[in-house]
Amino acid sequence: NAGVTQTPKFRILKIGQSMTLQCTQDMNHNYMYWYRQDPGMGLKLIYYSVGAGITDKGEVPNGYNVSRSTTEDFPLRLELAAPSQTSVYFCASQGEGGQPQHFGDGTRLSIL
Amino acid sequence: QQQVKQSPQSLIVQKGGISIINCAYENTAFDYFPWYQQFPGKGPALLIAIRPDVSEKKEGRFTISFNKSAKQFSLHIMDSQPGDSATYFCAARESSYKLIFGSGTRLLVRP
Repeated sequence: NAGVTQTPKFRILKIGQSMTLQCTQDMNHNYMYWYRQDPGMGLKLIYYSVGAGITDKGEVPNGYNVSRSTTEDFPLRLELAAPSQTSVYFCASQGEGGQPQHFGDGTRLSIL
Repeated sequence: QQQVKQSPQSLIVQKGGISIINCAYENTAFDYFPWYQQFPGKGPALLIAIRPDVSEKKEGRFTISFNKSAKQFSLHIMDSQPGDSATYFCAARESSYKLIFGSGTRLLVRP
């Protein structure tokens, strides 16, 4: 069972570069999420999606973009990387009926 | 504005002791309160959860105590083991699909 798969696991970017964090799930979940985790700050919601073609902003969306063209995939795009975006990024998915959220193992991103 | 406040930030407990982590919330519309456990290099995973119409839920060594009038809930880990060393997050469900997370507690259980 793959669950939620995130790639890459680690990445170092230079300021101003762009990149896409990949997330895919094989549980046919409609709901998908992107969080960032900073030390002592918990998990902050960046963007979420309630189904293919539908996305919405979370608590900290500035500097990020998402798309949801398929049920399985929910990539997160950083257009102009800034040092404040250094963080660990987690993708999660959830099924219907209030099921728990399932998380990937994260992407550790450093911007120098 | 922090809707779910978690304390302490870190906790050290001796093997066999009781670990207690506390959370407080503000929004009375929250209808589901899960706890997630996260090991280094891994994503959070659901540990145990409770609904507000129940005052306590126990699963093995893990117990959630819920006080609706005080808007507080806590996680108790009985007979704490070194393998319980992890970061724990409380959360509250804002809608059928959105969770608000606490800031996390890093637990270290000494042998």
